[in-house]
Amino acid sequence: EPEVTQTPSHQVTQMGQEVILRCVPISNHLYFYWYRQILGQKVEFLVSFYNNEISEKSEIFDDQFSVERPDGSNFTLKIRSTKLEDSAMYFCASSDGARNEQFFGPGTRLTVL
Amino acid sequence: QQQVKQSPQSLIVQKGGIPIINCAYENTAFDYFPWYQQFPGKGPALLIAIRPDVSEKKEGRFTISFNKSAKQFSLHIMDSQPGDSATYFCAAIRNSNYQLIWGAGTKLIIKP
Repeated sequence: EPEVTQTPSHQVTQMGQEVILRCVPISNHLYFYWYRQILGQKVEFLVSFYNNEISEKSEIFDDQFSVERPDGSNFTLKIRSTKLEDSAMYFCASSDGARNEQFFGPGTRLTVL
Repeated sequence: QQQVKQSPQSLIVQKGGIPIINCAYENTAFDYFPWYQQFPGKGPALLIAIRPDVSEKKEGRFTISFNKSAKQFSLHIMDSQPGDSATYFCAAIRNSNYQLIWGAGTKLIIKP
């Protein structure tokens, strides 16, 4: 069964450093998403991406964040200068239609020290 | 208006019991309501979803009840098993955008 994969599973970084979280969505999916989940809290939408551009973003997704689909398979989330409060689980998701089921990856746990 | 309120925060049920998790929303523009199941260390996985044109949907042991006028929906798990122990999230999505709005989650424990 096709699945969304994410790397790394755990990333530890120093405050102020740049991180790139990587995702490989399901191959025939066209819509891609990033969500985050701070420990013990609800899942929060960050951004959706379609046709090589951001289709929607939340207030959390400020200028420190960017997304890219550098090739036909990867979808990345970059945080330019990490803050302590960026520590969270980051989930990538993909779907084959704008309002169809979103399939989630296993997540990357980001720890900012 | 953007919130989905979920209760209870945690729930312990004996095996074979019927845990019920409730969610409520305000925004009438929401038109798709999925439930996700999340095991520790894993990403959320879609369990079952409903649109507001039906009042109930059943898939296996999982049933969603939907009350459009009250703007509430709930998840029932029939004949619950210890393997159902997980965190359950309700969510909603508007008819005009892409983002899932999530409830706070319910940690469910099924005791053997």
